[in-house]
Amino acid sequence: DIQLTQSPSFLSASVGDRVTITCRASQGISSYLAWYQQKPGKAPKLLIYAASTLQSGVPSRFSGSGSGTEFTLTISSLQPEDFATYYCQQLNSYPPLTFGGGTKVEIK
Amino acid sequence: QITLKESGPTLVKPTQTLTLTCTFSGFSLSTSGVGVGWIRQPPGKALEWLALIYWNDDKRYSPSLKSRLTITKDTSKNQVVLTMTNMDPVDTATYYCAHSPYTLAFAFDIWGQGTMVTVSS
Repeated sequence: DIQLTQSPSFLSASVGDRVTITCRASQGISSYLAWYQQKPGKAPKLLIYAASTLQSGVPSRFSGSGSGTEFTLTISSLQPEDFATYYCQQLNSYPPLTFGGGTKVEIK
Repeated sequence: QITLKESGPTLVKPTQTLTLTCTFSGFSLSTSGVGVGWIRQPPGKALEWLALIYWNDDKRYSPSLKSRLTITKDTSKNQVVLTMTNMDPVDTATYYCAHSPYTLAFAFDIWGQGTMVTVSS
């Protein structure tokens, strides 16, 4: 099974900050990685697929990069509505379709 | 507009079988390149993928739960059903179904609102 390790697991930041979240895969997954945002009590929302393609309707301050085993999600200027938990997911080799452990972004 | 909605019991007893239904609209599961998956999330924990069914009836299961899971589709009713046998308190979670299109590399682009299932005697 492919394991995904997200870091950090918790992040405290201020509005306007540039935020970077890392997702590392235990083996190469090409660009088959997605990022999701989840707010409390809500279903996850797809932000990025194929490692770097922004899902329709997602603000351009979100970006994704990487391939192989190391990936990043960057929020260029953190907005109040961006405080949430973020998950990566690999879609290269399954089953299982693995999710990372999550990164909670909170207000400093 | 694609929508999905999960339905099923909110409370099940240990050892019972859970049956969840995902009713969707805005797409057909007979269209090439489309899938519907199930994902769960225990309270305060991370997402866990359970199963996925494709337009061609190809089915994939989480290896750790494969012996307990069955996923089926009813194209005429626009429904996907997930059954999980031998429920245990550790299976307490919010269960989501989600749309998974080939065009997005099978990422889950549209999710249902989720349904909370508690396993307790």
